[in-house]
Amino acid sequence: AQRVTQPEKLLSVFKGAPVELKCNYSYSGSPELFWYVQYSRQRLQLLLRHISRESIKGFTADLNKGETSFHLKKPFAQEEDSAMYYCASGDTGTASKLTFGTGTRLQVTL
Amino acid sequence: NAGVTQTPKFQVLKTGQSMTLQCAQDMNHNSMYWYRQDPGMGLRLIYYSASEGTTDKGEVPNGYNVSRLNKREFSLRLESAAPSQTSVYFCASRGTLSYEQYFGPGTRLTVT
Repeated sequence: AQRVTQPEKLLSVFKGAPVELKCNYSYSGSPELFWYVQYSRQRLQLLLRHISRESIKGFTADLNKGETSFHLKKPFAQEEDSAMYYCASGDTGTASKLTFGTGTRLQVTL
Repeated sequence: NAGVTQTPKFQVLKTGQSMTLQCAQDMNHNSMYWYRQDPGMGLRLIYYSASEGTTDKGEVPNGYNVSRLNKREFSLRLESAAPSQTSVYFCASRGTLSYEQYFGPGTRLTVT
């Protein structure tokens, strides 16, 4: 079974500081990896997918197969980045089910 | 487009009562999912439906049943609610050619 680990429940940083949200996965094949974000009073929504290799809202995530990691990074945190972040691993089957990590709450303070 | 809608938004049940959570999507998606979200546990898949007429168990299916009524609707039923089912329930859908799951606003269920 797939497993996604997010070791930090809460990450508190100052505005303008770099952010790194950690994610490790276990998957024997080629994983589909995602970051989903849930802002206060909003729905869970997709932030990044590893294959797209794009930067969304200043966030990037690199897949490191050797370390089985998919950490989410941003060089300068903004107040509006405060949210709950979930790393997720997906299979490539017809239903493409996701396995979510336990989530990390990012708190950006002034 | 409303996207994924869920009803009700909040519900309080007594132990042993039954209820059905409703989910509908207007994006013509084939796949639909039910998750529960618990503090410290993240989101866990309860049931999913790859297409109309098919359903399958996820990680935590015990105590739940589902119905894929048609392509738009996917309901989750609790036959005899237990306090352990107190949670926030999310429905999601995904199109065949897309990797992204779209989530509903959630239903907060409390079982006393």
